[in-house]
Amino acid sequence: EDQVTQSPEALRLQEGESSSLNCSYTVSGLRGLFWYRQDPGKGPEFLFTLYSAGEEKEKERLKATLTKKESFLHITAPKPEDSATYLCAAKGGSQGNLIFGKGTKLSVKP
Amino acid sequence: DGGITQSPKYLFRKEGQNVTLSCEQNLNHDAMYWYRQDPGQGLRLIYYSQIVNDFQKGDIAEGYSVSREKKESFPLTVTSAQKNPTAFYLCASSKDRGISNQPQHFGDGTRLSIL
Repeated sequence: EDQVTQSPEALRLQEGESSSLNCSYTVSGLRGLFWYRQDPGKGPEFLFTLYSAGEEKEKERLKATLTKKESFLHITAPKPEDSATYLCAAKGGSQGNLIFGKGTKLSVKP
Repeated sequence: DGGITQSPKYLFRKEGQNVTLSCEQNLNHDAMYWYRQDPGQGLRLIYYSQIVNDFQKGDIAEGYSVSREKKESFPLTVTSAQKNPTAFYLCASSKDRGISNQPQHFGDGTRLSIL
């Protein structure tokens, strides 16, 4: 069964304290690994798509990486405005539907 | 600006009542989707449509219905058969659904509660 697991469920950081969020996936024939940011009461906002192991993408303080089993979202020197829930989703070859993890809620304190 | 508009932002349902959630997109996307989000759970797919006048059930379609009469619009009806409708409902669209890796883009959701 295709599955996406995110850890930790919640992460509290001090401003400037770098860390990583994990997304483990078991999806046959991965076609894409997607990262989204979701603010409270809002819809998810698309951040990155990763297609193959070894690929990396960056946007401001965020960098996403992909291996054959997991993806990491690295946050460098976070600011309070980076506080949000980060969602990971995988798209497999058999269906084409996205399989979402439960998310990691990030809080960055000044 | 192109985007996805969901309305209303908040909706209340009485017992035995059907309610319809609106979703409109001006991104010229072919595929549209409805998800349900509950606390502590990942997004779950209710219905999706790849083309006008065609739609398929997702993982949790029971108690819901949809229509796709126009490319821009994909309304979701929560029927009285859905016994636990309280949730945050998200509409999304993408350029296409099949083998393409185009990301899905989301609206800002409708929060449905039972009176």
